[in-house]
Amino acid sequence: GDSVTQMEGPVTLSEEAFLTINCTYTATGYPSLFWYVQYPGEGLQLLLKATKADDKGSNKGFEATYRKETTSFHLEKGSVQVSDSAVYFCALSDQTGGFKTIFGAGTRLFVKA
Amino acid sequence: KAGVTQTPRYLIKTRGQQVTLSCSPISGHRSVSWYQQTPGQGLQFLFEYFSETQRNKGNFPGRFSGRQFSNSRSEMNVSTLELGDSALYLCASSLQGPMNTEAFFGQGTRLTVV
Repeated sequence: GDSVTQMEGPVTLSEEAFLTINCTYTATGYPSLFWYVQYPGEGLQLLLKATKADDKGSNKGFEATYRKETTSFHLEKGSVQVSDSAVYFCALSDQTGGFKTIFGAGTRLFVKA
Repeated sequence: KAGVTQTPRYLIKTRGQQVTLSCSPISGHRSVSWYQQTPGQGLQFLFEYFSETQRNKGNFPGRFSGRQFSNSRSEMNVSTLELGDSALYLCASSLQGPMNTEAFFGQGTRLTVV
C-alpha cells in the first residue's frame, strides 16, 4: 500500500542554518504530495504542496520539489528561524488509494538562537 | 471565517467506557477526515466522510465508528475504551476531499483513558 518515510528526528539547528528534511514515498498511482507543520498545542497546517512531477511547492521560505524518478519530496529552507521549531509531516494523497491522506511519522525540528 | 472546531478539547475516561468526539468543519466543506495521533504510531487515518457517506476507512477495530450529519458536522465514537486509545484525535475538513485540496485541521481532542 501507499506509504511515506521521512527522516527521524529530532533535528537541532542553529538559527540561520540550512534545513533539509528528507521524505520518500511509495504509491500505486500518481499522488499529490504535501508538507504539513504542527506547532506545539495546535493541529496541523498545510505548509506547501505539489500535485505533479517536477512541481515545486513553496511557502514562508520553505521549498520542496516533487521528484518522480526518486519518489522523493524533500523539504528545504535556506535559513531557519527559532519560530520554525515545530514538527513537520510529509504526506501524500492518491486517488487509487482512496480518499485519505497518508502521513509520515513526523520530524521534530528545534532551532536554537 | 471560522476554522475547524473540535469538542471537547480534553477528555478523561475510564477503561470500558465509551466516548463521542465532535467536529464542525469549515463552512462549505463537505469532506471530514479523522486521525489518531500518538507518539509511537504517528498520525493514523481513521475514516473519511463526504456528504454523510463514509468513503474510506483505516485499519482500526470496529470499536471506532463515525458518522456525518447533513450539515457536514461529524462525530466519532469509541466504545469499550482501552488504555491504548489514549491519543490526540484530529479532524480535518476540505472542500471535496483530500485529493489535491488543502486539508484544514482542528486543534484536536486529547483523550486520556485511565
